Amino acid sequence: DGGITQSPKYLFRKEGQNVTLSCEQNLNHDAMYWYRQDPGQGLRLIYYSQIVNDFQKGDIAEGYSVSREKKESFPLTVTSAQKNPTAFYLCASSIRAGAGNTIYFGEGSWLTVV
Amino acid sequence: DAKTTQPTSMDCAEGRAANLPCNHSTISGNEYVYWYRQIHSQGPQYIIHGLKNNETNEMASLIITEDRKSSTLILPHATLRDTAVYYCIVRAGGSEKLVFGKGTKLTVNP
Repeated sequence: DGGITQSPKYLFRKEGQNVTLSCEQNLNHDAMYWYRQDPGQGLRLIYYSQIVNDFQKGDIAEGYSVSREKKESFPLTVTSAQKNPTAFYLCASSIRAGAGNTIYFGEGSWLTVV
Repeated sequence: DAKTTQPTSMDCAEGRAANLPCNHSTISGNEYVYWYRQIHSQGPQYIIHGLKNNETNEMASLIITEDRKSSTLILPHATLRDTAVYYCIVRAGGSEKLVFGKGTKLTVNP
C-alpha cells in the first residue's frame, strides 16, 4: 500500500538520551515535514524538507535534527537538548512544496521520556 | 497563531448532515482553506481544501462564502466513525506550514 510509515509507534527513553524517529514514504513526494503535538493542542512545525539534501527549520526546531539523504526518508532525531521531548510526533509529506498541494500525515509516534 | 475561529464542539445525529462552520475573516487572496480531522492518537486525515470555489469530494463538501471570510464543511450523512476533532486551516501561498487551532469536536450520536 502507498503511504507514510512512521516507526516506532510507541517509544520510551531515559532523559538525556538521543532518539531517532523513522519516517518513510512511497508516494514519490518531494516535500516532507515533521510536526509535534502536545495533549489537547494543535500541531507545531519542527522541520520541513522541500527536496533531497535540503531542509528548513520550522517554528520549534531547537533540540531536534533531521536529514534528507533519500527522497523517501526523513528521520527526526530528538536530542538531549530538547527540554520537553515527551509528545506525539507526526511525519507528513506532499507531492511538492506550495500551499495548493495537500499535506498527508502518517499515523504518528508517541515518545515518552522518563 | 491560528487564523481561524471554530466552535469548540458540536453534536449531530447519525445519518443527518453535519455542518461545521469556520470563520477566517483576515484571509488573503492567495490563501487556501484546508480541512483535516483527527481521531485521538492518530495522524490528521485530509478531508478537502479550496481557494475560492466550492468543492466536493467523496468525503465532504466545502462551501466558501463569496467574500471568503467564512466557510462550512458539510458531511452529508454523518456516521459514528465521523466523530473526531475537525480542523479548519488557512494556508498562505508561500507557507509550508499548517497552523492548527483547537478545532471543533464533532460527536455523532446514534
